[in-house]
Amino acid sequence: AQSVTQPDIHITVSEGASLELRCNYSYGATPYLFWYVQSPGQGLQLLLKYFSGDTLVQGIKGFEAEFKRSQSSFNLRKPSVHWSDAAEYFCAVGTQGAQKLVFGQGTRLTINP
Amino acid sequence: DTAVSQTPKYLVTQMGNDKSIKCEQNLGHDTMYWYKQDSKKFLKIMFSYNNKELIINETVPNRFSPKSPDKAHLNLHINSLELGDSAVYFCASSLRGDPSYEQYFGPGTRLTVT
Repeated sequence: AQSVTQPDIHITVSEGASLELRCNYSYGATPYLFWYVQSPGQGLQLLLKYFSGDTLVQGIKGFEAEFKRSQSSFNLRKPSVHWSDAAEYFCAVGTQGAQKLVFGQGTRLTINP
Repeated sequence: DTAVSQTPKYLVTQMGNDKSIKCEQNLGHDTMYWYKQDSKKFLKIMFSYNNKELIINETVPNRFSPKSPDKAHLNLHINSLELGDSAVYFCASSLRGDPSYEQYFGPGTRLTVT
């Protein structure tokens, strides 16, 4: 069964600094990979997704993620964070035919002014 | 023009009670889901419906009974509520059931069982 690990429960960065959130997955074939963001008291919003093709994918709000098959990773990056990026970030994996997503445990991002 | 809506947003109730959470999507999607997010923010799928048909039931206690009167609605009824049911419940929908289709989430219902 597929699984997702986000090794960092909580990350704090300064406003304007770069950001990288880690995500590792476990699945035999090429999975569908997603990053979602959850602002306080809100539902989840899709930031970006990877299915195939170019391993560097661009998303909304200036985020990007890179799929690295050799490392089973799909890390999320942003060159310069804004205070409004403070939120909970979830990596998720899906597989064709499974009709469900499996989520990581989330990484809480705090932004220092 | 809310895409996926849930009611109520907050629900506080006592152990042993029965409660329902409603979900509606106006996106014309075929597939709807219920997820449970626990106190540690861990998000896990509970049910998935495709055109009113149950597709996924992730070993959820049978006190939880989803009902889909039409493909725009997926309600969640919970019998004999327990303390461990306290969580945030999210409804979501997607155009089709395959994970390649983006899932749109509702704002969540925070259930507190006392």
